[in-house]
Amino acid sequence: SQQGEEDPQALSIQEGENATMNCSYKTSINNLQWYRQNSGRGLVHLILIRSNEREKHSGRLRVTLDTSKKSSSLLITASRAADTASYFCATDGTYKYIFGTGTRLKVLA
Amino acid sequence: SAVISQKPSRDICQRGTSLTIQCQVDSQVTMMFWYRQQPGQSLTLIATANQGSEATYESGFVIDKFPISRPNLTFSTLTVSNMSPEDSSIYLCSAQGWSSYNEQFFGPGTRLTVL
Repeated sequence: SQQGEEDPQALSIQEGENATMNCSYKTSINNLQWYRQNSGRGLVHLILIRSNEREKHSGRLRVTLDTSKKSSSLLITASRAADTASYFCATDGTYKYIFGTGTRLKVLA
Repeated sequence: SAVISQKPSRDICQRGTSLTIQCQVDSQVTMMFWYRQQPGQSLTLIATANQGSEATYESGFVIDKFPISRPNLTFSTLTVSNMSPEDSSIYLCSAQGWSSYNEQFFGPGTRLTVL
């Protein structure tokens, strides 16, 4: 299976701290996407990074991609209580995306 | 980005019945997909909804159980047939646009409970 694995599975931090989540995958990819899901709701697209990119920023989010290690990381800086959610990476080999196992982030006020 | 809506947002159904979920995109898209997310789990791809032809199902999912329609480039339906409690999940529709970046956007999901 191409499914990515994320670690940690769960992360609890204080407001203002940085949160780092990692995603590892198994096969070659064209793109990798990160999503956020608030409890029981749809997924919000955060960032897409292409296989020829190494780093991408969007506001407080920073995504890195290391294709040699088949891994990606998502860094959320200066976290807020509203960042509490599950975060998923999704990788594509052809035209469809396969989702990782997810990291449940809890930011304590 | 595409805006995707789903109906119904949630439903409670009896065992043995069927439910059809609708997915509407506000613009024409190339690809539409249906995912299932069981409680506390990640997303599992059910099938790719192909416009004008039969859907492409992933391993473990069959057309008789999850018939899918896609009559045009903005609309698709997923039917969950002959439901059992194991079908209780969130069902999510997603769409991929014309951009070369292949960004994929999701609807808000349909929360299904089967009694």
